[in-house]
Amino acid sequence: EPEVTQTPSHQVTQMGQEVILRCVPISNHLYFYWYRQILGQKVEFLVSFYNNEISEKSEIFDDQFSVERPDGSNFTLKIRSTKLEDSAMYFCASSGLTGDSSPLHFGNGTRLTVT
Amino acid sequence: QQQVKQSPQSLIVQKGGISIINCAYENTAFDYFPWYQQFPGKGPALLIAIRPDVSEKKEGRFTISFNKSAKQFSLHIMDSQPGDSATYFCAASSGSARQLTFGSGTQLTVLP
Repeated sequence: EPEVTQTPSHQVTQMGQEVILRCVPISNHLYFYWYRQILGQKVEFLVSFYNNEISEKSEIFDDQFSVERPDGSNFTLKIRSTKLEDSAMYFCASSGLTGDSSPLHFGNGTRLTVT
Repeated sequence: QQQVKQSPQSLIVQKGGISIINCAYENTAFDYFPWYQQFPGKGPALLIAIRPDVSEKKEGRFTISFNKSAKQFSLHIMDSQPGDSATYFCAASSGSARQLTFGSGTQLTVLP
């Protein structure tokens, strides 16, 4: 079964540094997402991306965050200047066109630790 | 109004028993209600989903019950197995959007 793959599995960075989290969505999917999960808390929506632009974003997704689909296969989340509170598990997800037959498929996540 | 409230936070069930997890929502625009299962170190995986035009949906040992007037929905796991031990999240979204609002999660432990 096709999978969403995320790299790295764990990223440690110092406060104020830039990080880029990478994702390879399922190949025929058209919608891409980033969610995050702070340890022990619920999964929270960050941003959705379709047709090379952001379609929705949450309050969490401020100017420090950006997303990009630099080529036909990768989807990245950049955090410009990391803060301690950015420490979380970041999940990439993708889905097909529309309808219940194309639900979100999540990757296994990147654990970001900001020290 | 965007919140989805989930209970209980944790649940311990004997093998063969029924696990019941409940969720409640306030936003009447929500029209898609999936349940996700998450194992440690893995991403959430879709288990089963329902739309509000039906009151129940069953897939194998997993059943969603939906009460539109009460704005509540629940997951029932029949004949619970130790392999079902995981964290379960309910979620909701509206329209064609896939901005899922997740509940806080229930850690299920099924004892052998």
